[in-house]
Order: sequence, then structure tokens, then C-alpha cells
Amino acid sequence: DVQLLESGGGLVQPGGSLRLSCSASGFTFDNYAVTWVRQAPGKGLEWVSTINNSGGARLYTDSVKGRFSVSRDNPKSTLYLQMNSLRADDTGVYYCAKGGRLMALAGSGFDSWGQGVLVTVSS
Amino acid sequence: SSELTQPPSVSVAPGQTARITCGGDNIGRRTVHWYQQRAGQAPVLVVYDDTDRPSGIPDRFSGSNSGNTATLTISGVEAGDEADYYCQVWDGDRFVFGPGTTVTAL
Repeated sequence: DVQLLESGGGLVQPGGSLRLSCSASGFTFDNYAVTWVRQAPGKGLEWVSTINNSGGARLYTDSVKGRFSVSRDNPKSTLYLQMNSLRADDTGVYYCAKGGRLMALAGSGFDSWGQGVLVTVSS
Repeated sequence: SSELTQPPSVSVAPGQTARITCGGDNIGRRTVHWYQQRAGQAPVLVVYDDTDRPSGIPDRFSGSNSGNTATLTISGVEAGDEADYYCQVWDGDRFVFGPGTTVTAL
């Protein structure tokens, strides 16, 4: 079975940094794009960032460009999200999700999700 | 760019049919995916590529997409179907989620 396990969340002051990790198992990691999606308290889902299977293509939502950086370590089957210059509106649960289509950046939705990790930005 | 609209809530009696719409300019030209998120849980893909169901998703869940509206239909609604439902599309260089619809079984 596919499993995705996020870690690295916590409480951080505005302007601070955090690095999230997502450890994957149960599928051939380097065949699929992976994505970060976040959810502010009581709000809907928001796409944050996607990286393709090789790591050569990286996409970001406008509000995190220049502050967040996505990367992956395929031999370790791990996805990362480096978050710098954090703001209060970055607070929320961050999910990693597996792309549904082999060797594609998009297509067939996000077919597996982790349980999420909470990031709280507050002084 | 794609902005998606969904009704905030849909209420239906158990056993009846719930229809959740996702509106967008010419959304019928895009591929739509749907997610179910029960309270306190991670999202689950219930329909992908407009009409397909992942393994393990009951055939009570179905999707359609045409013109300016995509629709997720839940036939024979059960108490366990109470959840938030989100549509999602790929916009060429970003992914977009709809605002979500809360389904309540009366």
C-alpha cells in the first residue's frame, strides 16, 4: 500500500524557517510527481507546490514564490519543503500527495495523501 | 486562469441523490478531479479524469463534465458520505481547487 508520512511541522515565529519532509513507500517514488497542499484552519484546500518525478520541474503558488523551495531525494523516497520567511497566513496543515499519472507532472489527480503536519506561525 | 465555484453546502436525505457542482469558464475543456474530506481526515480522491473512480470507491460516486459545469453525483447517500468535497483542475502551470462543498445527510 502507498504510504506518505509528513514530519517537521511545529510552531515558528513570523520570519522564521521550517523544513517539512514527506517519506514515501509502497510505490516507485521516482516515477511520480509529488505535491504539497495546505489547509488553513477551517478553510479549504490550497495547492502549494509540485515537483516532477526527476526534480527538474518545480511549480509554486504565487504566495510562496521566493520563500518556499520544494525538492526531492529519489534514492531516499523523500519529498521536502523548505519554508523561509514564514508569515501568519502560512499557518495550516500541510499534506503531501502523490500524483496519479506515471511520469507526468499532472493528470489523474492526487491519488494518495499523507495525514498532514501542522505548521503554526505565531509570535 | 481557472477560478472554480462550488455551492457552500448541499443537504440531502439518506438514500437520495446529492449533486455537487463545480463551475468554471469552459471547464468542460479541462479534466476535473474530486476529493472527499471527512472531518479531521486527509482528503481522498473519489473521481479522477472527470468520470473515473479509483479502486475501492463505491460506484455510488460518479462524475460528469460539460460546458461550464462539472458535477459529482452521489447516489443513495449514506451517513458516511457526510464530508467536504472539492473539485480540482490543472491550469497549465498550477493546480486549482474549488472552495469546497459540505454535504450533509439530513
